[in-house]
Amino acid sequence: DQQVKQNSPSLSVQEGRISILNCDYTNSMFDYFLWYKKYPAEGPTFLISISSIKDKNEDGRFTVFLNKSAKHLSLHIVPSQPGDSAVYFCAASAYGNQFYFGTGTSLTVIP
Amino acid sequence: GAGVSQTPSNKVTEKGKYVELRCDPISGHTALYWYRQSLGQGPEFLIYFQGTGAADDSGLPNDRFFAVRPEGSVSTLKIQRTERGDSAVYLCASSSGEHTEAFFGQGTRLTVV
Repeated sequence: DQQVKQNSPSLSVQEGRISILNCDYTNSMFDYFLWYKKYPAEGPTFLISISSIKDKNEDGRFTVFLNKSAKHLSLHIVPSQPGDSAVYFCAASAYGNQFYFGTGTSLTVIP
Repeated sequence: GAGVSQTPSNKVTEKGKYVELRCDPISGHTALYWYRQSLGQGPEFLIYFQGTGAADDSGLPNDRFFAVRPEGSVSTLKIQRTERGDSAVYLCASSSGEHTEAFFGQGTRLTVV
């Protein structure tokens, strides 16, 4: 059973525009959420995180929003740059235990 | 080293053989995770260490898989009697504690022929 779901396998966005990547989860015990970025032949690279006590966390061009009632989080990238093209994974954990990952969304930013 | 290091980066083995995959976590990180990633999928949890002990090994698929972390630093994932279905990228990650991000190594690509 997939506890973390990314329903969009791919997304294409024009350079300079906003990229919005979505993630849904089923386990209400999750209290820490993360986004990772992955380039081919490399391990995932940490991007941004959010604790369940917050509903928004911002770091430069990256903002993560958490809607606990909907069990939904999203990653906004503004403005999108060609170097942002990668596979993005969301992940969640409960009480500091293992991270559960989604299946990823491949983002292509078109110059 | 500055990051999580995994060796080897690539391993090709014959079906039925035994393999060991090594992970050197970031110095001082108490938590260490092993994940497996197949093409088109997200990382799939295998085992999680807190210090020297396995805090959660519920993701190990069967008793052919075993992992150790004897001194609370380096970890080795061991796979006995490898099968073609074990082919995947094996990822190791470490973190400094609860509610902190995990940092991943570059992975070991295992191919069982």
